[in-house]
Amino acid sequence: GQNIDQPTEMTATEGAIVQINCTYQTSGFNGLFWYQQHAGEAPTFLSYNVLDGLEEKGRFSSFLSRSKGYSYLLLKELQMKDSASYLCAVMDSNYQLIWGAGTKLIIKP
Amino acid sequence: SQTIHQWPATLVQPVGSPLSLECTVEGTSNPNLYWYRQAAGRGLQLLFYSVGIGQISSEVPQNLSASRPQDRQFILSSKKLLLSDSGFYLCACSGTENSPLHFGNGTRLTVT
Repeated sequence: GQNIDQPTEMTATEGAIVQINCTYQTSGFNGLFWYQQHAGEAPTFLSYNVLDGLEEKGRFSSFLSRSKGYSYLLLKELQMKDSASYLCAVMDSNYQLIWGAGTKLIIKP
Repeated sequence: SQTIHQWPATLVQPVGSPLSLECTVEGTSNPNLYWYRQAAGRGLQLLFYSVGIGQISSEVPQNLSASRPQDRQFILSSKKLLLSDSGFYLCACSGTENSPLHFGNGTRLTVT
């Protein structure tokens, strides 16, 4: 079966760095997406990786290793507004998105 | 860029009543359209997706149905709601097969 694993919850301190991991087992691979979802709101797109390596976008970076079925989202200079759930999703060979359950990130002052 | 309009934002309906949620998209043509449901504290569950007018694929057998009467309009319906239909309903669209999904603001449905 297809599976996406990410930690349920993480806690970090304002101003620090946090890495949210995502491992996946899917039928084929056509890209990996990260989304941010604040409580009570819709998910918003953060990043897309289809090739191995690091994609940087401001304070957020996303890394992919296809051979290991592994990705991480790196958040730097954490701000209180970064408190949210972070969803990892993989597009399989049929271009269907397989979603992880999300990681709830709690930022403490 | 595309804009997704989804309404209403919140809805409280009694068990057994009908449902109609509408989603319209601006700024793109022939989008792929999706209906997702998210139960409290849970992940996203794909309910329906559509690659064109009148073309609907159902992912989960249940008492919900979807229709796409126009290119940029996607409707989620039910004839009789169940308590288990409560949740956060999200409409999403993408331009091509492997492009990111963009979501509407969602409808929080409570069935009482």
